[in-house]
Amino acid sequence: NAGVTQTPKFQVLKTGQSMTLQCAQDMNHEYMSWYRQDPGMGLRLIHYSVGAGITDQGEVPNGYNVSRSTTEDFPLRLLSAAPSQTSVYFCASRTPSGGKSYEQYFGPGTRLTVT
Amino acid sequence: AQTVTQSQPEMSVQEAETVTLSCTYDTSENNYYLFWYKQPPSGQMILVIRQEAYKQQNATENRFSVNFQKAAKSFSLKISDSQLGDTAMYFCAFMKKQGAQKLVFGQGTRLTINP
Repeated sequence: NAGVTQTPKFQVLKTGQSMTLQCAQDMNHEYMSWYRQDPGMGLRLIHYSVGAGITDQGEVPNGYNVSRSTTEDFPLRLLSAAPSQTSVYFCASRTPSGGKSYEQYFGPGTRLTVT
Repeated sequence: AQTVTQSQPEMSVQEAETVTLSCTYDTSENNYYLFWYKQPPSGQMILVIRQEAYKQQNATENRFSVNFQKAAKSFSLKISDSQLGDTAMYFCAFMKKQGAQKLVFGQGTRLTINP
């Protein structure tokens, strides 16, 4: 299993550009989430999904869109990038049932800089 | 809403010493999980230890143990016989047991183990 994969690893955008951060998992996990990590702060939840076709907002959703057309993929779209979106983005997945249902599996992160 | 607070932004100890990282949280929930995550310089989020709120016994994982005080809403991490590889950011996190089960993180503690 590859676990949770994220692409790209690094990205530089200009203000106003749009892009999609990719996230995929091969563990058949129903739950997937996007977090952002800013300096001096812990991870904050942007959007999450409890299954294909179902998404919801987290703590800091403004400026981001998500969709979940398959169990495996959960892309995060920046509609019009702003310097305040400079951050490290983590995707995570989890199964809601079973003995290890508490454990989130994190991807390696995408470091995004908006100039 | 739940909040998690880590009051020690940075800590530094000598190799082989014991170190304790503090975490307090605020919630009105009764059933939840608490976690400690480690983030080494590579950036990966690694689960160190977890505690289920209904279990009175403190969790242990090799050199890592917790002191869970439910009434005081305190959840500290003790690292015994610290090693150079323990150098990392450590995040305390909370997750409700029911519902969408989103992780809420503290601000992190930067731990340095000196040779």
